[in-house]
Amino acid sequence: GAVVSQHPSWVICKSGTSVKIECRSLDFQATTMFWYRQFPKQSLMLMATSNEGSKATYEQGVEKDKFLINHASLTLSTLTVTSAHPEDSSFYICSAGGPVSGELFFGEGSRLTVL
Amino acid sequence: QQQVKQSPQSLIVQKGGISIINCAYENTAFDYFPWYQQFPGKGPALLIAIRPDVSEKKEGRFTISFNKSAKQFSLHIMDSQPGDSATYFCAASMRLSGYALNFGKGTSLLVTP
Repeated sequence: GAVVSQHPSWVICKSGTSVKIECRSLDFQATTMFWYRQFPKQSLMLMATSNEGSKATYEQGVEKDKFLINHASLTLSTLTVTSAHPEDSSFYICSAGGPVSGELFFGEGSRLTVL
Repeated sequence: QQQVKQSPQSLIVQKGGISIINCAYENTAFDYFPWYQQFPGKGPALLIAIRPDVSEKKEGRFTISFNKSAKQFSLHIMDSQPGDSATYFCAASMRLSGYALNFGKGTSLLVTP
């Protein structure tokens, strides 16, 4: 399947700082990428849809000013958690569509811990 | 609102047995139904997927059965192995929403030796 790379795989930061997570599609171009959040032993919840060259679409209840998404190229989307707080600690996972319509591949995830 | 309902929450199967996980959905606009496998600390990996124009799809030991009229689909893992122990998620998506996935709550599978 297609390869999606995420970086960093884990990050620890102090409360109030901002953290950027990168998501890259390595062997294909992705006009759309998705960002998910997963709490321990829970399912994945869609946060936002990242569209290349345009503003992201956020799901209800997700603060767009807190979770900044930029999709500047066909292979890179970034999620910036601004002014992070302990309640933002979670597993953030991105996904991108492969060549087959509907087929989505996920990155390895980024574990964020806010102290 | 959970758009895809998954059961059971957890499952224990002996090695060599069949693991069966079930999912149900309400939105008839869904047109793509994948299953993902996730190991702790890793991102989900696409296992197998089906579209509503077929009733069954098999890939190796993994089979999806799809019942369009009942709005249900299931994953069967034949000859389950300890290495299959993971969390499995069903999902549903549709072209209208750019194929953003709606996940079930997941099933934690343990295959005992």
